[in-house]
Amino acid sequence: AQSVTQLDSQVPVFEEAPVELRCNYSSSVSVYLFWYVQYPNQGLQLLLKYLSGSTLVKGINGFEAEFNKSQTSFHLRKPSVHISDTAEYFCAVSVLSGGYNKLIFGAGTRLAVHP
Amino acid sequence: DGGITQSPKYLFRKEGQNVTLSCEQNLNHDAMYWYRQDPGQGLRLIYYSQIVNDFQKGDIAEGYSVSREKKESFPLTVTSAQKNPTAFYLCASKMDNEQFFGPGTRLTVL
Repeated sequence: AQSVTQLDSQVPVFEEAPVELRCNYSSSVSVYLFWYVQYPNQGLQLLLKYLSGSTLVKGINGFEAEFNKSQTSFHLRKPSVHISDTAEYFCAVSVLSGGYNKLIFGAGTRLAVHP
Repeated sequence: DGGITQSPKYLFRKEGQNVTLSCEQNLNHDAMYWYRQDPGQGLRLIYYSQIVNDFQKGDIAEGYSVSREKKESFPLTVTSAQKNPTAFYLCASKMDNEQFFGPGTRLTVL
């Protein structure tokens, strides 16, 4: 069965420092990969996605992620974070299951940016 | 503006009562989804619908029901059979490989 593991439940970081949020997935077939951001009491907003092609994917708000097939990872990075990046981040994988594309989510990583 | 709306934003229910959460989209998407979010668990799929008048159970469908009579609407009913309904509920629609999420409804059972 496919699964997504976000290795850190919480990541504290100072403003303007770099950050990496880690995501590993288990799947024996080709997958599509996503990172979503959720601000308190709001829905999820897509940050970036990997469907095919270049393994380095750039998203909104200065985030990027690198797809590593051999390590089954899709880590999210930002070179310099802002206070406004404080939120919960979810990694997700889309797999074909029962005739439809199913999104499987990780448990989330809470990013806390401190001044 | 195109998007997904969910109402109400906050909902309180007494034990033993059924309650219906609204989800509407004007994106002209065929596929729609309902997720449940609990702290520290990510999102889990309750029901999905790939087209009007058709829907399928997700991973945690017990105690929930849905209908899809119109393309724009996919309401979720939380029945009294759902033993632990307090959670944040998210609706989404899909185009190609991307899901678009509504703002969510927080349901609290008193």
